[in-house]
Amino acid sequence: EPEVTQTPSHQVTQMGQEVILRCVPISNHLYFYWYRQILGQKVEFLVSFYNNEISEKSEIFDDQFSVERPDGSNFTLKIRSTKLEDSAMYFCASSEIGTRDQPQHFGDGTRLSIL
Amino acid sequence: LAKTTQPISMDSYEGQEVNITCSHNNIATNDYITWYQQFPSQGPRFIIQGYKTKVTNEVASLFIPADRKSSTLSLPRVSLSDTAVYYCLVGPGYSSASKIIFGSGTRLSIRP
Repeated sequence: EPEVTQTPSHQVTQMGQEVILRCVPISNHLYFYWYRQILGQKVEFLVSFYNNEISEKSEIFDDQFSVERPDGSNFTLKIRSTKLEDSAMYFCASSEIGTRDQPQHFGDGTRLSIL
Repeated sequence: LAKTTQPISMDSYEGQEVNITCSHNNIATNDYITWYQQFPSQGPRFIIQGYKTKVTNEVASLFIPADRKSSTLSLPRVSLSDTAVYYCLVGPGYSSASKIIFGSGTRLSIRP
């Protein structure tokens, strides 16, 4: 079964540094998402992306965050200047277009630790 | 998006059938009911989705009464590996880059 893959599985970064989290969505999917989950808390929506532009973003997704689809396979989340509170699991997801009964498929996440 | 209510936690034993009920009194006409499963340190995984009556796949069954104000996820003969958090989600079919709003879910613990 095709799956969403994320790299790295764990990223440790100093506060204030930039970090890029990478995702390879399922190949025929056209909608892409990022979510995050702070330890012990709910999974929170960050942003959705379609046709090379952001469809929707949450309040969490401020100017420090950006997303990009640099080529035909990767989907990235960049945090420009990390803060301690950015420490969380970050999940990428993707879904097909046009069929209302198709769910979002999630990767296994990148654990981001800010020191 | 319709608000959902599900138990915070449930315990069961290997080999038992587990039923997790979710209430969604304000479900809209075009809303689907979707269940996800999440193991520790993994991403949520789609289990099953339905609109009405009963849906069954190789993993679970989903029972939806005629009024659609609740739904029950049924896991047959659970094993230790079914220990996870289960999320009930209600919303329009996810065809248009719709975000998923996750609640706290039901933490299911399976004992030997």
